Amino acid sequence: GQSLEQPSEVTAVEGAIVQINCTYQTSGFYGLSWYQQHDGGAPTFLSYNGLDGLEETGRFSSFLSRSDSYGYLLLQELQMKDSASYFCAVRDSNYQLIWGAGTKLIIKP
Amino acid sequence: SQTIHQWPATLVQPVGSPLSLECTVEGTSNPNLYWYRQAAGRGLQLLFYSVGIGQISSEVPQNLSASRPQDRQFILSSKKLLLSDSGFYLCAWTEGTVKETQYFGPGTRLLVL
Repeated sequence: GQSLEQPSEVTAVEGAIVQINCTYQTSGFYGLSWYQQHDGGAPTFLSYNGLDGLEETGRFSSFLSRSDSYGYLLLQELQMKDSASYFCAVRDSNYQLIWGAGTKLIIKP
Repeated sequence: SQTIHQWPATLVQPVGSPLSLECTVEGTSNPNLYWYRQAAGRGLQLLFYSVGIGQISSEVPQNLSASRPQDRQFILSSKKLLLSDSGFYLCAWTEGTVKETQYFGPGTRLLVL
């Protein structure tokens, strides 16, 4: 079966750095995406990795290692507004997104 | 710019009643459209997707159905709701199958009692 594993919850301090890991097992792989979802809201796109390596977008970075079926989202200079759930999603051989269960990021002042 | 609308925002329905949720996209042509359901504290489950008018693919067999009567309109329906149909229903669109960014509507929170 297809599955994505990510921690259910991560806690960090405002101003710190946090890493959210994602491992996947899917039929085919056409890239790893990350989405942010605030409570009660819809997911919004953060980043995409199609090839191995690091992609940086402001305070957020995302990394992919296809040989390890692994990626992570790195959030720097954490702000209270970053408190949200973060989802990794893999595009499979049918070009559909398979979603992880999400990681709830709790930020403490 | 492109926008996506969903309504209603919240819905409380009795078991066995019908359902119709509507999603419309503005500012783009021939989008790929998706219906997802999200249970509380869980990830997104793909229910249906459509690459064009009248073209619907179902990912999960259940008592829900979808239709695409117009290019930018996607409708999710049920003839008889079950308690297990409760959840957060999200409509999304992409510009094509290989485009990585999915844009989501505001969602409909459905509670079946």
